[in-house]
Amino acid sequence: GQQLNQSPQSMFIQEGEDVSMNCTSSSIFNTWLWYKQDPGEGPVLLIALYKAGELTSNGRLTAQFGITRKDSFLNISASIPSDVGIYFCAGRESGGSNYKLTFGKGTLLTVNP
Amino acid sequence: DTAVSQTPKYLVTQMGNDKSIKCEQNLGHDTMYWYKQDSKKFLKIMFSYNNKELIINETVPNRFSPKSPDKAHLNLHINSLELGDSAVYFCASSRQGSNSPLHFGNGTRLTVT
Repeated sequence: GQQLNQSPQSMFIQEGEDVSMNCTSSSIFNTWLWYKQDPGEGPVLLIALYKAGELTSNGRLTAQFGITRKDSFLNISASIPSDVGIYFCAGRESGGSNYKLTFGKGTLLTVNP
Repeated sequence: DTAVSQTPKYLVTQMGNDKSIKCEQNLGHDTMYWYKQDSKKFLKIMFSYNNKELIINETVPNRFSPKSPDKAHLNLHINSLELGDSAVYFCASSRQGSNSPLHFGNGTRLTVT
């Protein structure tokens, strides 16, 4: 089935630095979502994107739906220790099932105070 | 005001046993899901139900049997548990429709010994 390539797999940064991660697919997607998972909890929605080129912010987080509809990125500015966690991209393939959300393999973010 | 709640949070059992995980959502959503997260944190869809009807069965062994008594509940029963079933199982729900993000429960960590 469809797989998403998410990179990097992990990042180790200093507090205050900016972070960027991205996701690519081999086919066109009509929805891109970004989630964060803290230890022992379920993924929590950060940003949802529905149109090619869409740029959406949520506080220090900004995400974009790529023009080609095959990629998306997430930026975190001025990182803080509580940004630590696993970030997942997820998307729905255009022409695929509306009920199937495919996830990337996650980016593990560690922030050094 | 828990949105998606699943029980139990931890489940330790021996090979060959049968166990169930329960999930309830109070968001008024029509669609519910089960996802499996392996030791590498990869999230993979198992089942999707819409209005109590099975929509997606992602090549899951038939030892896994979901049951949706009503729109707000989706339980997962597993027969003849195997070591490889050890994982974190997440329930999720969404509104019907292609653009609806998923809301996840906090997971059930299943350990089969």
